[in-house]
Amino acid sequence: EIVLTQSPGTLSLSPGERATLSCRASQSVSSNYLAWYQHRPGQAPRLLIYGSSTRAAGIPDRFSGRGSGTDFTLTISRLEPEDFAVYYCQQYGRSPGTFGQGTKVE
Amino acid sequence: QVQLQESGPGLVKPSQTLSLTCIVSGGSIGSGGHYWNWIRQHPGKGLEWIGHIYYSGSTQYNPSLKSRVSMSVETSKNQFSLRLTSVTAADTAVYYCARGLYYYPSGDYFDYWGQGTLVTVSS
Repeated sequence: EIVLTQSPGTLSLSPGERATLSCRASQSVSSNYLAWYQHRPGQAPRLLIYGSSTRAAGIPDRFSGRGSGTDFTLTISRLEPEDFAVYYCQQYGRSPGTFGQGTKVE
Repeated sequence: QVQLQESGPGLVKPSQTLSLTCIVSGGSIGSGGHYWNWIRQHPGKGLEWIGHIYYSGSTQYNPSLKSRVSMSVETSKNQFSLRLTSVTAADTAVYYCARGLYYYPSGDYFDYWGQGTLVTVSS
């Protein structure tokens, strides 16, 4: 199965700053089938990005995704207070789908 | 707005069967087009896809759990279920249900999730 490694494990930033999260795959992700999720404590995970760069419905444009092959990035251009959460990447290009271990933005 | 809600026992004894149900509202399982998934998160660890089911009853499971997992769907009640047999402490996790968009033959991404339910395996 494809192993996803997210870095850094924790990102310490302030509101208004830019966040750059990395997700590296152990093998090339087919068709750039890579998604990003936000997870706040006690809430359901929320889909942000699919297909490496397509924002899900209702997601603000301060969230952007890019990348291909084995290297993917999620960028939050200016952090809002509600953006402090854990972020997961997930590949669905090869079964079984797998997730990264998460990056906490604090 | 689609909503999913997991339900089931929070405590299961070792060697017994874990059973969970996910009730879907705001959307119909029977209308097709989506796959219905179970995902879990071990304490302090990442997320693990368990498997999915289509409204027709067609299933796909993670090979790592395939021998112990089964899923079923009840379109009349707009719900689907998970059974995991012969559980051990290693099955202690938060279990999520989620709606998936499936890209054959590879996998799903998940656009709606439940809030999750903690299942502890302990005697």
